[in-house]
Amino acid sequence: AQSVTQPDIHITVSEGASLELRCNYSYGATPYLFWYVQSPGQGLQLLLKYFSGDTLVQGIKGFEAEFKRSQSSFNLRKPSVHWSDAAEYFCAVGAYDYKLSFGAGTTVTVRA
Amino acid sequence: DAGVTQSPTHLIKTRGQQVTLRCSPKSGHDTVSWYQQALGQGPQFIFQYYEEEERQRGNFPDRFSGHQYPNYSSELNVNALLLGDSALYLCASSSGPRGTDTQYFGPGTRLTVL
Repeated sequence: AQSVTQPDIHITVSEGASLELRCNYSYGATPYLFWYVQSPGQGLQLLLKYFSGDTLVQGIKGFEAEFKRSQSSFNLRKPSVHWSDAAEYFCAVGAYDYKLSFGAGTTVTVRA
Repeated sequence: DAGVTQSPTHLIKTRGQQVTLRCSPKSGHDTVSWYQQALGQGPQFIFQYYEEEERQRGNFPDRFSGHQYPNYSSELNVNALLLGDSALYLCASSSGPRGTDTQYFGPGTRLTVL
């Protein structure tokens, strides 16, 4: 069965600074990887996804993520954070058996 | 184009009661998945419906059941509610049941069990 670990529970970053959120997955075959963002009281919005091909994927809102098979990682990055990026971020892995398995999430706080 | 919609937004029930949550998928989507998100945790997969059948189920008891209608909308039913069932219930729709089919989430239904 697949699983996801997000090592950082909470990250605080200054507005305009760069952001990197870590995600490690466990899955025996080629994974399908996703990053979602959740604002308070809201559902999940898809930021980006990786299925195959180029290991650096671009998403919405200026986010990108890099798939590293050797490290079983799929870290999310943004070069310059805006106050509106404060939210909870979830990494998820999908297998061919339909379901998504989510990490516990990383809460991002943006300080002025 | 309407996204995934869920109703109701909030719900308060007491222990032992039964609840039904509803989901309408995004236009063009035929697959609905349900997730439970407890406070401070990531979503946990409950089950998925495709072609009006439950295709896969997560680690949830039989108190959790569902249904999918011919128009692809879906219901999640929970019987004999426990305090631990308090959570945000998320519905996600996709254009197929495979792992490569991106799931789009609704805003969720917040269930509080007293």
